[in-house]
Amino acid sequence: SQKIEQNSEALNIQEGKTATLTCNYTNYSPAYLQWYRQDPGRGPVFLLLIRENEKEKRKERLKVTFDTTLKQSLFHITASQPADSATYLCALYTGGGNKLTFGTGTQLKVEL
Amino acid sequence: EAGVVQSPRYKIIEKKQPVAFWCNPISGHNTLYWYRQNLGQGPELLIRYENEEAVDDSQLPKDRFSAERLKGVDSTLKIQPAELGDSAVYLCASSSGGGNTEAFFGQGTRLTVV
Repeated sequence: SQKIEQNSEALNIQEGKTATLTCNYTNYSPAYLQWYRQDPGRGPVFLLLIRENEKEKRKERLKVTFDTTLKQSLFHITASQPADSATYLCALYTGGGNKLTFGTGTQLKVEL
Repeated sequence: EAGVVQSPRYKIIEKKQPVAFWCNPISGHNTLYWYRQNLGQGPELLIRYENEEAVDDSQLPKDRFSAERLKGVDSTLKIQPAELGDSAVYLCASSSGGGNTEAFFGQGTRLTVV
């Protein structure tokens, strides 16, 4: 069956450290992978997109890697801040169309 | 420009009652999604529209859920009758289409069925 899995346990890190979140998928061949941030009581907000032929993408303190052989994406936040505390969702575009399928999300808590 | 607008923000109903959610997507966005999100889970796709056509409704429980997107703009999602297990946040999103475009989400409607 098709699955998109993210760490279900919350990730707690200290301010200033690098947070690394994982997204693993099975039985998909996505052309694109996206990462979203979701705060409590709000809808997800787009952060970054990476294509299947790209290995890495950066935006300010954010970095995403995409390994289609391992079927895995890693999402890094460098110099993390308490304001980065949120749930982070990965999402795949699949089916050759506009179907956007989300993972389970990982909650990140950045402590002072 | 306004983002995706959903209403109501919150809704509490008794089981077996009907309920409807409304979504106004970003102007010009042809693709519209309805997702359901349970607590601690990622959004689960219910239905996807391309303009006024429902192109993917495989996850929509058709015995009690229905949706429409008149004139390819606003959309309504209805549940009749509601069950306790329908309590969740219902999210609407829109995009200009294509895998290389982002989806914009509304704030969602939190439904509680008692």
